[in-house]
Amino acid sequence: EVQLVESGGGLVQPGASLKLSCVASGFTFSDYWMSWVRQTPGKTMEWIGDIKYDGSYTNYAPSLKNRFTISRDNAKSTLYLQMSNVRSEDTATYYCTKLVPYYFDYWGQGVMVTVSS
Amino acid sequence: DIVMTQGALPNPVPSGESASITCQSSKSLLHSNGKTYLNWYLQRPGQSPQLLIYWMSTRASGVSDRFSGSGSGTDFTLKISSVEAEDVGVYYCQQFLEYPLTFGSGTKLEIK
Repeated sequence: EVQLVESGGGLVQPGASLKLSCVASGFTFSDYWMSWVRQTPGKTMEWIGDIKYDGSYTNYAPSLKNRFTISRDNAKSTLYLQMSNVRSEDTATYYCTKLVPYYFDYWGQGVMVTVSS
Repeated sequence: DIVMTQGALPNPVPSGESASITCQSSKSLLHSNGKTYLNWYLQRPGQSPQLLIYWMSTRASGVSDRFSGSGSGTDFTLKISSVEAEDVGVYYCQQFLEYPLTFGSGTKLEIK
């Protein structure tokens, strides 16, 4: 059974950094592209970016590419999202997703991030 | 960016009736390989999204055949025949033709 378990969220102050993790199981992690998607409190879904199966290539939403970095550790079956200089508009639930060409076939349960002073 | 626009439902929908959710893209999602990269997801209350339909009309594994997807290059419909209580939630369309990937704003389904 595919499982994606996110962690690392919480309350963070504006301007701070935060790193989210997603531990994958139930499939060969190193064979698949992975992605992060967030959902705002108003339920808007926003794609953040994705990363190639070997970690050699990434794509990002243009509005986030200067502050967010996606990486992975295939030995640990773990996907990461490094968020820097966070803003109030980054308040959202962050989902780790597994990619197959060309759709998100599995989603994690999500982790909440609240940016507030 | 490709803009995805979803229509609303005349909620609540009586149980057993059919419901059609529309989605329109600002650019054709028909790829040169003949596939249309339009996907549908359902987010039930309190849950994460789940895949329903991919490539416009292919049902994901385990999805009821009450769900069907259709459309052209820019206009798409998710049809739910004989809605049930478990169908309650928000439905999102999403394009995978080009980056940045984009979603519709969601369509809420309520059952009477």
